[in-house]
Amino acid sequence: QVQLQESGPGLVKPSETLSLTCTVSGGSISSYYWSWIRQPAGKGLEWIGRIYTSGSTNYNPSLKSRVTMSVDTSKNQFSLKLSSVTAADTAVYYCAREYCSSTSCYTIVGYFDYWGQGTLVTVSS
Amino acid sequence: EIVLTQSPATLSLSPGERATLSCRASQSVSSYLAWYQQKPGQAPRLLIYDASNRATGIPARFSGSGSGTDFTLTISSLEPEDFAVYYCQQRSNWVGTFGQGTKVEIK
Repeated sequence: QVQLQESGPGLVKPSETLSLTCTVSGGSISSYYWSWIRQPAGKGLEWIGRIYTSGSTNYNPSLKSRVTMSVDTSKNQFSLKLSSVTAADTAVYYCAREYCSSTSCYTIVGYFDYWGQGTLVTVSS
Repeated sequence: EIVLTQSPATLSLSPGERATLSCRASQSVSSYLAWYQQKPGQAPRLLIYDASNRATGIPARFSGSGSGTDFTLTISSLEPEDFAVYYCQQRSNWVGTFGQGTKVEIK
């Protein structure tokens, strides 16, 4: 059974960089797309971006200028960095695996079949 | 960006009743639509993908239909554990977008 676990600081100061890591266990990180999704308290879900195990990335245009994702296949981990954070970036951050069903995820994002439990990141001084 | 609009925002029903949730896309997403269930304090769970296919382990009382811009999630007979928030998600391009959610609450 694939499991995902987010880790990283729960508190980040405004204007600083939010950094999170997702560790995948119970299966290989290889040959899948992996996404980050966030959810402000009481609100809906926002897709942040994704990374393939080759290092190829796609980012939500609304966040693209501030987002960097990376992958470390030797550790079965992938990471998110979000720079210049403000209070609007306060949210629960999820990592998730993409499921591609009948159509490749190469040109279109997948569905999300495995999720981490989520980690709350608060932006505050 | 494709916008997904879910309705109603809240659905108040009793156990055993039928629930019908709607998701409308601002442009065609073909059949590339999924439904998720989220309970408080938990991550979303994939229920339906490609508009009408149940994900692994999802009970048969959950069904999805639609194509193009209009989609429906139906729960044929609500169980106590089905009261939750439901989101739709499209995958017709490389930017994943979700609807704003429909809360199914106990009447």
